[in-house]
Amino acid sequence: IAGITQAPTSQILAAGRRMTLRCTQDMRHNAMYWYRQDLGLGLRLIHYSNTAGTTGKGEVPDGYSVSRANTDDFPLTLASAVPSQTSVYFCASRGGIFGYTFGSGTRLTVV
Amino acid sequence: GESVGLHLPTLSVQEGDNSIINCAYSNSASDYFIWYKQESGKGPQFIIDIRSNMDKRQGQRVTVLLNKTVKHLSLQIAATQPGDSAVYFCAENPGGTSYGKLTFGQGTILTVHP
Repeated sequence: IAGITQAPTSQILAAGRRMTLRCTQDMRHNAMYWYRQDLGLGLRLIHYSNTAGTTGKGEVPDGYSVSRANTDDFPLTLASAVPSQTSVYFCASRGGIFGYTFGSGTRLTVV
Repeated sequence: GESVGLHLPTLSVQEGDNSIINCAYSNSASDYFIWYKQESGKGPQFIIDIRSNMDKRQGQRVTVLLNKTVKHLSLQIAATQPGDSAVYFCAENPGGTSYGKLTFGQGTILTVHP
């Protein structure tokens, strides 16, 4: 089934540890996005990539980094996790002008 | 509709009623708007979209209205069903250099009672 695969689905992480959230799409979409979702704040953009080899900062990029080595994969890395990064993380891709597709999310708890 | 704060707006309706969910957007340059439905434990699911050159668009049981004068968007769901219970988000696509980077509203919790 075409779409976006995120892994892991959930994770409990000790503060200070490094963590990479994986995102893979099989739709050959050029643009990909990482959002975090916190209750009462909606989804906020962390980082984005308009095409393979390029990345950009969104609304809340601090503490996160991304890479886009190829079209399909867009991993999000927390270099040193802090409790305020406890959230649900969604990866999304966009095909053409419209047509956003979201993954099922990764629920991350930093303790 | 939208509000600032930690508590999501809520809407409770009876099965069969029509539901109206409101959203105020912020960027007058936004040219594309989307409504998403999000069920517990799942990612946002596309419902309907509208471009800024339109003021109304209809889908199956859903209608989106856009009022650019007051920067307001609404989602109407006809004959609401228990399966419609979810959190609904509006999203705007800013123009210019921010094109493609959706900005989401806070969300509204819709509860449909049988």
